[in-house]
Amino acid sequence: GQQVMQIPQYQHVQEGEDFTTYCNSSTTLSNIQWYKQRPGGHPVFLIQLVKSGEVKKQKRLTFQFGEAKKNSSLHITATQTTDVGTYFCAGPGSGGYQKVTFGTGTKLQVIP
Amino acid sequence: GAGVSQSPRYKVAKRGQDVALRCDPISGHVSLFWYQQALGQGPEFLTYFQNEAQLDKSGLPSDRFFAERPEGSVSTLKIQRTQQEDSAVYLCASSSTLATGGGREQYFGPGTRLTVT
Repeated sequence: GQQVMQIPQYQHVQEGEDFTTYCNSSTTLSNIQWYKQRPGGHPVFLIQLVKSGEVKKQKRLTFQFGEAKKNSSLHITATQTTDVGTYFCAGPGSGGYQKVTFGTGTKLQVIP
Repeated sequence: GAGVSQSPRYKVAKRGQDVALRCDPISGHVSLFWYQQALGQGPEFLTYFQNEAQLDKSGLPSDRFFAERPEGSVSTLKIQRTQQEDSAVYLCASSSTLATGGGREQYFGPGTRLTVT
């Protein structure tokens, strides 16, 4: 079945350093979404990418969708303690309708 | 406006008991999803409703799991004869889109943490 893997699994950074998480799918995706889940919280939608090679920015966050639409990345510039949480990518699951397959997640810890 | 709400927020059940988890989606959202999230893992898809129709239940782990959304708004996830492996956070999410292929953003509720002892 479809697999969506993320690396790294964990990342500790000093506040002010940059951070990147990578998402890789075993199948081509029609779109990819990114969510953030704070400790003890629920996933919160960040963005959706649809086009091959698409790049979108939200303040210090840069999202990219690969040319082959099988991978994506999230880059955070100059991390802050408010960036702490687990970042998930998510793509359409196999089988139609709106099934969504979440990636394995990258847990970010920011050291002040 | 109000977001997605779920109740109860915490549920402790003895092995073998039945439980019912409720989800109130955002008003007017036609799509509703249930996910199971184990500790340290990503949400795992359980089932999907478009209005009152359950169009995908491929993620339900066993026939002990049953979900319904009879009037196309509130949904209930029922787990019969709970087992310890059912312990997890159960998340509900709603979306305004009907589009296939992943649709648009999903708005998640706070989840119900189920502990089976």
